[in-house]
Amino acid sequence: GQSLEQPSEVTAVEGAIVQINCTYQTSGFYGLSWYQQHDGGAPTFLSYNALDGLEETGRFSSFLSRSDSYGYLLLQELQMKDSASYFCAARRDYGGSQGNLIFGKGTKLSVKP
Amino acid sequence: DGGITQSPKYLFRKEGQNVTLSCEQNLNHDAMYWYRQDPGQGLRLIYYSQIVNDFQKGDIAEGYSVSREKKESFPLTVTSAQKNPTAFYLCASRFPGQMNTEAFFGQGTRLTVV
Repeated sequence: GQSLEQPSEVTAVEGAIVQINCTYQTSGFYGLSWYQQHDGGAPTFLSYNALDGLEETGRFSSFLSRSDSYGYLLLQELQMKDSASYFCAARRDYGGSQGNLIFGKGTKLSVKP
Repeated sequence: DGGITQSPKYLFRKEGQNVTLSCEQNLNHDAMYWYRQDPGQGLRLIYYSQIVNDFQKGDIAEGYSVSREKKESFPLTVTSAQKNPTAFYLCASRFPGQMNTEAFFGQGTRLTVV
């Protein structure tokens, strides 16, 4: 089937670095996205990798390896406000359609003082 | 300001009733989506629409219906056929271009069956 797998929970301390992994199985793969969601809030877009390699945006970086069907989100210099759920997402195609977005189940990150 | 608006924020429904959740966007996006979120389940796709007057079932469409009469609006009706409708519902929109997977989400509607 078409799915994205990621760990359910990760805990880290303030100032540390944490990596959230995502493995995927989708048809017509066009790239991997990452979203952040605070409790009770709306998911917000963080990053998108269309090509293999590392994309850096401030304290956040995202990596993609198409050959391994694998990506990760790297959060550096963790802050308490980074405590949230993080979702990887990919575009899924249905034949000739434009496709739709599917999401992993999310990784709940808890940042401790 | 451009954005995507869902209403109401909280909704209570009696068993056996249909309810309609509103989703409006002024981002000029062609594609709109409805997701359901349950604890530990991530976001599951209910319905999506790539263009006005067209929509497709997602992974969990049973018990739901939608319409797309205007580009800006994509309301979701939760019917009495939906066995377990209590959940957090999220509406999203984006440009449907191949390389773009950035979606914009509304603030969600929390539906509770009483």
